[in-house]
Parts: sequence; structure tokens; C-alpha cells
Amino acid sequence: GENVEQHPSTLSVQEGDSAVIKCTYSDSASNYFPWYKQELGKRPQLIIDIRSNVGEKKDQRIAVTLNKTAKHFSLHITETQPEDSAVYFCAASEDSWGKLQFGAGTQVVVTP
Amino acid sequence: EPEVTQTPSHQVTQMGQEVILRCVPISNHLYFYWYRQILGQKVEFLVSFYNNEISEKSEIFDDQFSVERPDGSNFTLKIRSTKLEDSAMYFCASSFTGTGMNTEAFFGQGTRLTVV
Repeated sequence: GENVEQHPSTLSVQEGDSAVIKCTYSDSASNYFPWYKQELGKRPQLIIDIRSNVGEKKDQRIAVTLNKTAKHFSLHITETQPEDSAVYFCAASEDSWGKLQFGAGTQVVVTP
Repeated sequence: EPEVTQTPSHQVTQMGQEVILRCVPISNHLYFYWYRQILGQKVEFLVSFYNNEISEKSEIFDDQFSVERPDGSNFTLKIRSTKLEDSAMYFCASSFTGTGMNTEAFFGQGTRLTVV
């Protein structure tokens, strides 16, 4: 089955700096890669996703890149703000039933 | 904006008791899921449900667990004979199609299950 590795586990950045989180996956059949943001005690919320036929996608300060050959994908947050502080999870899906395999999460702390 | 709702938000139960966690998925969604998250750990897939039957389940989802869609709106997870290690946040999710067909999964706010 699919295995998703996520790094780093914690990331501290100064407000205004960029943050990058990296994930690798094992199953070349995976074709959908969402990123979820989870604030303490709350539900995971989708912030951006990318399909296997696209190499890069951007939404305002957030971008995701996908390298299918190397089987890794990354989340980039630019101009970080304190409200970006949360746990970020990458995930991969390989089948039509929608099972998401999550990475271990990255705790992002943005300090003013 | 439509959302997935779960009840209760917090459930405390004694070891060995049965619990039922309830979810109301988004109304036009066809695929339903349960995930769990042990405190401080990653979100883990339990089961997916489509067309009134389980489509896929993980090794975590053993005979202790069952799911049901008793009517047109509710989706439940039953845990029989709860164990201490069942303590976790349980998330329900739904999507219009399976995410392998490129559709976002929406998560509920979770039910925190504490087994004592």
C-alpha cells in the first residue's frame, strides 16, 4: 500500500519568511495529492491539492509542486503570517474509493 | 457552505462498552469515510463506504468496528467492546466522488472518544 513520508516534523519561521514542507510517496499509481491544514482541536481543512497530470499549482500565498518521477511533492507558503501557524498534513490517494494516506504532519509556528 | 457534522463532539466511555459515533455527510455526496487521529499522531484511514457497502477498509478496521447508513442522511461508526487504545479523535468525511477521481474530501469537526 501507499506510504507517505513528510518532513520536517516542526518548522519555525519568522513572519514574512517562506515555509516549505516536503512529502514523498511510494505508490506510483497515486494520482491525487491534497494538503490539509489543521488548527488545534479542529477539523483538517483542504488548502490546496494537485493532480498527477499537473506539475505545479498556486493559490495566492500557497503553492504546491509535484515531481512524479521522484515521487515527491512540496507545499510552499510565502509571506507567512501568524495565522498560518497550524499542523499541515500532506496526503496521497491511489484509488477510486478515495482512501487518503496521510503524512505524519508538520507543526508550523510563525513568530511575529 | 455545506459541511459534515458529527455528534457527539466528545464521548467518554468505559472500557468494554459499545459506542456509536454519528455523522451527517454533505447531502449530495456519495462517498463516506471514517478516519481516526490518536493525539499527536497522523490521521489514519479506517473505512470507505459507497452504495451502501464498504468499499475499502484498513487493517485497523477489524471485527470490533462496523459502519452503517441507517437512513438517507446519517452515517455511523460502531465500536464494540471499546479498548483503551481506541481513544482518539474520529473524523467522518464525505466526497461527491472518490478522491481518486479528483474530488475533495470534506471532514467533520470530529468526535473525541475517551475510553477509561
